[in-house]
Amino acid sequence: QKEVEQNSGPLSVPEGAIASLNCTYSDRVSQSFFWYRQYSGKSPELIMSIYSNGDKEDGRFTAQLNKASQYVSLLIRDSQPSDSATYLCAVPASGGSYIPTFGRGTSLIVHP
Amino acid sequence: GAGVSQSPSNKVTEKGKDVELRCDPISGHTALYWYRQSLGQGLEFLIYFQGNSAPDKSGLPSDRFSAERTGGSVSTLTIQRTQQEDSAVYLCASSPNSGPLGEFFGPGTRLTVL
Repeated sequence: QKEVEQNSGPLSVPEGAIASLNCTYSDRVSQSFFWYRQYSGKSPELIMSIYSNGDKEDGRFTAQLNKASQYVSLLIRDSQPSDSATYLCAVPASGGSYIPTFGRGTSLIVHP
Repeated sequence: GAGVSQSPSNKVTEKGKDVELRCDPISGHTALYWYRQSLGQGLEFLIYFQGNSAPDKSGLPSDRFSAERTGGSVSTLTIQRTQQEDSAVYLCASSPNSGPLGEFFGPGTRLTVL
């Protein structure tokens, strides 16, 4: 069974710092990964996707994928209080299953 | 409307009553998912629709839960004889297909069973 593990946190960082969020997964055949941001009381919002080893940058966000070690991370540079949210890692449908597996999420707190 | 819409946004019901939750996916999206999220918990998969194929109901917690999707678009999740443990936020998401393109979530329906 596919598993996606995240540290629940909370991860607390000062404003302007780099926040590093990590996710490990068990399914070696997984080919693509997603990060969602969920503000308190709101629904998840897709913010990043990554399909190949290495880094993918989008503004202040960088997703990093290492398939050999089976982990994916999300770096947030110049963290802002508005980045405070829960970040969910997801491994989408693969291997015949159409059901994405979501991690339980890491709570990030960016304090001024 | 550009996004996924859900109605009602909030529903309070009495134990034992039936409820219907509605989801209107993004136009053209063939995949539709229902999830449940209890307070402070992760996303619990409930059911998946893809085009005209038979739905994957493997996540439905009991036979009190059912869902349908009419015309490959709007979906309704029905909970019969609601129980207090059914209280949660019910989230609908759609995707262009079941491939690696990510899902777009609706705002959710907060269900409270008294």
